[in-house]
Amino acid sequence: DIQLTQSPSFLSASVGDRVTITCRASQGISSYLAWYQQKPGKAPNLLIYVASTLQSGVPSRFSGSGSGTEFTLTISSLQPEDFATYYCQQLHSYPLTFGGGTEVEIK
Amino acid sequence: EVQLVESGGGLVQPGGSLRLSCAASGFTSSDHYMDWVRQAPGKGLEWVGRTRDKSKSYTTEYAASVKGRFTISRDDSKNSLFLQMNSLKTEDTAIYYCARTYTSSRSDYWGQGTLVTVSS
Repeated sequence: DIQLTQSPSFLSASVGDRVTITCRASQGISSYLAWYQQKPGKAPNLLIYVASTLQSGVPSRFSGSGSGTEFTLTISSLQPEDFATYYCQQLHSYPLTFGGGTEVEIK
Repeated sequence: EVQLVESGGGLVQPGGSLRLSCAASGFTSSDHYMDWVRQAPGKGLEWVGRTRDKSKSYTTEYAASVKGRFTISRDDSKNSLFLQMNSLKTEDTAIYYCARTYTSSRSDYWGQGTLVTVSS
């Protein structure tokens, strides 16, 4: 199975900060990686797919990059509504797997 | 508008069975891959399984943790997806989500989830 390791697992930041979350795969997954945002009590919401494509309707302050085994999700200027937990998911091979999550909290 | 609505969750004893439903609207579910994903209380997301689209004969894939116990099926006449869960264990306790999925790409729409609690 492909393991996805997210770092950090917890992040404290202020409104307006630039935030970067890393997702490392245990083996190469090309660009078959998606990023989701989840708020408490809600379903995950797709942000980025195939590593760097912004989902329709998602603000442009979100961006993704990477390929192979190392990927990043960047929020260029953190907004109050961005405080949530973020997950990466690999869709390269079965079983599909998620990273452990990164909780972004208000400093 | 695309919508997915799960139902069928509840309290069940270990060893018991439960069947979850996912009603799709705003699109034809038979044209899409569909995934089940679960989330144990306070934990992260775990992929449960997938059914491919009609062109791929609705073939399925499962996580090792549920293979042989869970079965995904569809009813095109109801534009619905099902998850039959047998031999339930306490570690199956979770919110179960269905999601519309594009192979190798993303799950773009998710339901609100249904809670399954396995406890004596």
